[in-house]
Amino acid sequence: SAVISQKPSRDICQRGTSLTIQCQVDSQVTMMFWYRQQPGQSLTLIATANQGSEATYESGFVIDKFPISRPNLTFSTLTVSNMSPEDSSIYLCSADTPQGGGYGYTFGSGTRLTVV
Amino acid sequence: SQQGEEDPQALSIQEGENATMNCSYKTSINNLQWYRQNSGRGLVHLILIRSNEREKHSGRLRVTLDTSKKSSSLLITASRAADTASYFCATDREGRRALTFGSGTRLQVQP
Repeated sequence: SAVISQKPSRDICQRGTSLTIQCQVDSQVTMMFWYRQQPGQSLTLIATANQGSEATYESGFVIDKFPISRPNLTFSTLTVSNMSPEDSSIYLCSADTPQGGGYGYTFGSGTRLTVV
Repeated sequence: SQQGEEDPQALSIQEGENATMNCSYKTSINNLQWYRQNSGRGLVHLILIRSNEREKHSGRLRVTLDTSKKSSSLLITASRAADTASYFCATDREGRRALTFGSGTRLQVQP
């Protein structure tokens, strides 16, 4: 199955600044997804990123706050803009890969963001 | 919002015992998947069961799916301390490829 390298693994940032998270996949994938996992919670989908088109955002997430790039079929970035302590979470990227008769998903190792 | 709920929220067992986690979901699905997450790290895909399947096995894992009740269960047999993790069910709704995750079960296996 695919391997996704995600970086940084963690960061501590000042409020009002921005952080860009990168995900590199070792094979071409059609769709990539970005999730947020707040402390002790489950994963919430932020947006779906397709190559060559604008990302599709879920309710409650907007492009100005979470701009996403998908320049090719192996790479994507998520930026968390104008950060506040409420943005402290784990951010995960994932990609769909064929698994077991359907599409299983491979995840990056996550970025643990703390905003102070 | 979450697609579904999992229970129990937390489970503590002894090594060698079996662990059963349940998941409920709300909408029609193409398939249901289970993932493991160790200490807030990335998720690892465990098993996928399609909507037309009722049971699937993979090593010490057994998954069942009841689409009439919109529920699934994950059984881990002969648990080990290394199975300590959070377990999430996830579904991809018809017409969508993105996953929607359940609330998760935190499993603690005592050596």
